[in-house]
Amino acid sequence: AQKITQTQPGMFVQEKEAVTLDCTYDTSDQSYGLFWYKQPSSGEMIFLIYQGSYDEQNATEGRYSLNFQKARKSANLVISASQLGDSAMYFCAMREGIQGAQKLVFGQGTRLTINP
Amino acid sequence: KAGVTQTPRYLIKTRGQQVTLSCSPISGHRSVSWYQQTPGQGLQFLFEYFSETQRNKGNFPGRFSGRQFSNSRSEMNVSTLELGDSALYLCASSLIPGSETQYFGPGTRLLVL
Repeated sequence: AQKITQTQPGMFVQEKEAVTLDCTYDTSDQSYGLFWYKQPSSGEMIFLIYQGSYDEQNATEGRYSLNFQKARKSANLVISASQLGDSAMYFCAMREGIQGAQKLVFGQGTRLTINP
Repeated sequence: KAGVTQTPRYLIKTRGQQVTLSCSPISGHRSVSWYQQTPGQGLQFLFEYFSETQRNKGNFPGRFSGRQFSNSRSEMNVSTLELGDSALYLCASSLIPGSETQYFGPGTRLLVL
């Protein structure tokens, strides 16, 4: 079974609009972490934002915010005021609660295209 | 502070050969993880190292191996290469296992002919 589901293979958004990228996850652990990464065509994975399962506030990092709905097991990424440079693949990932584990499980990604 | 570096960036090999990829983590980071990215399978965890010890291993055959040195640099080796090993191999580093952030390197693109 998929542990991380990203249902939007591709999204097209006008520059300066806000965009929400969907991510749902499946875990029975109480302690887990959720990550979002951006991967431009160069291939490097760029860390965007992190949300811990016990964090009560939604994480924010500049123009990125994570809409964390624990009961729904969703962790959507919101990008405000999109820019042309935001065009890239975006991956949602989860680290499950094994103490000190580093293994990330990734979704299939969403390709975001920002139109001028 | 320099980021995660991976060498080489590009590699072409033929079936049956072996290959060694290198990863230098961010200075001070002691945990290194490796991932394989292919169009068909997406991003898959290979293994994780901390203090020169493999702590976790993904579901890959024994042809895939790795190690970590005392300076936290890590290498992964793939023996008897197969066409399906063609992929982007990504290395990630963090301070310690379980850190809130893992920073990835630019990856090594391996093409097996």
